[in-house]
Amino acid sequence: EIVLTQSPDFQSVTPKEKVTITCRASQSIGSSLHWYQQKPDQSPKLLIKYASQSISGVPSRFSGSGSGTDFTLTINSLEAEDGATYYCHQSSSLPQTFGQGTKLEIK
Amino acid sequence: EVQLLQSGAEVKKPGESLKMSCKGSGDNFARKWIGWVRQMPGKGLELMGIIFPGDSDTRYSPSFKGQVTISVDKSINTAYVQWSSLQASDTAIYYCASYSSGNYWDTAFDIWGQGTMLIVSS
Repeated sequence: EIVLTQSPDFQSVTPKEKVTITCRASQSIGSSLHWYQQKPDQSPKLLIKYASQSISGVPSRFSGSGSGTDFTLTINSLEAEDGATYYCHQSSSLPQTFGQGTKLEIK
Repeated sequence: EVQLLQSGAEVKKPGESLKMSCKGSGDNFARKWIGWVRQMPGKGLELMGIIFPGDSDTRYSPSFKGQVTISVDKSINTAYVQWSSLQASDTAIYYCASYSSGNYWDTAFDIWGQGTMLIVSS
């Protein structure tokens, strides 16, 4: 089973900051890495697919990069509405797995 | 575009059985794999298993194999997850989600149901 480890687990940030969340895979997964945002009491929402492909309707301040084992989600100029938990997900091999999540608190 | 509508919240007693549903709308339901995802209270996301509505091909994540049964009735665009004997540890929110392409590999979940809360308590 491929283990995805996100860092940090928690971050308290102020609006307009640039935020970087990393996701490290226990073995190479190519670009089969996707990012989701989950706000309290809501379903997860797809933000980025295939490591760096943008999703229609998702603000352009969200971007992704990486391949192999190391991946990054970047939020440029954070907004108050970005307070949420962010998860990475690998679909390279079964069982597909998620990272443990990174909770962003907006100060 | 597929939309997924899940059945309502459930409160059950240990030992009881349950079949939870996820109904898809749109013409592509049978052509896209569906996954079931568990989220225990205050915890992260875990993929339980996936099913292809077109032919009921099912794959379980190891932690859930033998614990739940995933099925589908493509005639009514509905996927299911069922338990034969619930335990308190099954208390969680359960999501169904659809992959963005016809595969389950190298693809993301782009459509999510609203989630179903299950509470198992004596």
